[in-house]
Amino acid sequence: KNEVEQSPQNLTAQEGEFITINCSYSVGISALHWLQQHPGGGIVSLFMLSSGKKKHGRLIATINIQEKHSSLHITASHPRDSAVYICAVRPLLVSSGSARQLTFGSGTQLTVLP
Amino acid sequence: GAVVSQHPSRVICKSGTSVKIECRSLDFQATTMFWYRQFPKQSLMLMATSNEGSKATYEQGVEKDKFLINHASLTLSTLTVTSAHPEDSSFYICSARRDLNYNEQFFGPGTRLTVL
Repeated sequence: KNEVEQSPQNLTAQEGEFITINCSYSVGISALHWLQQHPGGGIVSLFMLSSGKKKHGRLIATINIQEKHSSLHITASHPRDSAVYICAVRPLLVSSGSARQLTFGSGTQLTVLP
Repeated sequence: GAVVSQHPSRVICKSGTSVKIECRSLDFQATTMFWYRQFPKQSLMLMATSNEGSKATYEQGVEKDKFLINHASLTLSTLTVTSAHPEDSSFYICSARRDLNYNEQFFGPGTRLTVL
């Protein structure tokens, strides 16, 4: 069974702090997604990774395929970064009846205080 | 990135009525669309996968007669919650991919359903 674990579950930071959110998974994957969900509910796809590192603005995502681990970093955090950050993975192997669906972590609630 | 829209964004209905939610891929053709449900403080749970022109594949525990999914075109999928009950109140999110071999997946803004 593919499990995706995120840590921490909740994170409160002061504006300007460097933030790291971690994601570990248990099976081989073809891709890992980092998603952002704001209080209104809408989901924004931040990154899709299959190896290495990606950067977009103040956000950096890294993945270590051998260790089955990914991190999302936010530099110079801002109150508008407050949201739930969700890690989701697409497994390599197809189980019976499956279509390589995304498996989601439970999310990390980030609150950045001014 | 690609855009997926949902309509309506919020709906309140009486128990026993049916509600239709539309999901559209605005700038690409989506061979595959997914419907998720999210309860408060929980992660997304896949309800069903729909491929254009064929019947949807439902996840275990999801009633196909209650949650009717139609993927009539490469840009439109609909989810109809039939005979809605208060326990169906939830946040419904659709997502779309170009095809099964394409890893990138785009999410709609979600629909908040409240059944009174």
